[in-house]
Amino acid sequence: GQQLNQSPQSMFIQEGEDVSMNCTSSSIFNTWLWYKQDPGEGPVLLIALYKAGELTSNGRLTAQFGITRKDSFLNISASIPSDVGIYFCAGQQNYGGATNKLIFGTGTLLAVQP
Amino acid sequence: DAGITQSPRHKVTETGTPVTLRCHQTENHRYMYWYRQDPGHGLRLIHYSYGVKDTDKGEVSDGYSVSRSKTEDFLLTLESATSSQTSVYFCAISESRGTHTGELFFGEGSRLTVL
Repeated sequence: GQQLNQSPQSMFIQEGEDVSMNCTSSSIFNTWLWYKQDPGEGPVLLIALYKAGELTSNGRLTAQFGITRKDSFLNISASIPSDVGIYFCAGQQNYGGATNKLIFGTGTLLAVQP
Repeated sequence: DAGITQSPRHKVTETGTPVTLRCHQTENHRYMYWYRQDPGHGLRLIHYSYGVKDTDKGEVSDGYSVSRSKTEDFLLTLESATSSQTSVYFCAISESRGTHTGELFFGEGSRLTVL
């Protein structure tokens, strides 16, 4: 099936550092989303992007919808220990209707050392 | 937090036995999904529902069936569990408003071990 290539697979950083991760695909998506999963819990939506080129922030998080519509980026500024978790990108190719399935990336594991 | 509960949260079963996982929502959202999460694979869609009695297959549907007889409940059944179905299963819901159908709310997961 379709896959989203998410990188890096894992990151080990010091508190206060900035973080960048990205997601690429060979297919075009109409929507890109970023989720975070804390240990032992379900993923939680961080940011949703609906237009090519769109740049959206949520606190210290900033995500961009790539111009080609085949990629997306997530940046975290000034990381803190509670940023620890797995970050997933997800792409959607259709608006609404019955075929609104998401394709998820394989995740980026982020560890932050105080 | 979105009102989604999954049950059971943990289950250990033997190969060949039937298993049913339940997802219950109190949000009256139209769409419901079942995903499985495995190391190296991220989240993969098993089945989803776009209304009562309306369901469709995802990318890894073999060996699974679903039913949705009420808006609030979405059941995932493994007719004859196999060790390859050992995984963490997540239920998710989303609204049906236009472009926002990708904004999923996830349950806390059900960890299934098939011996």
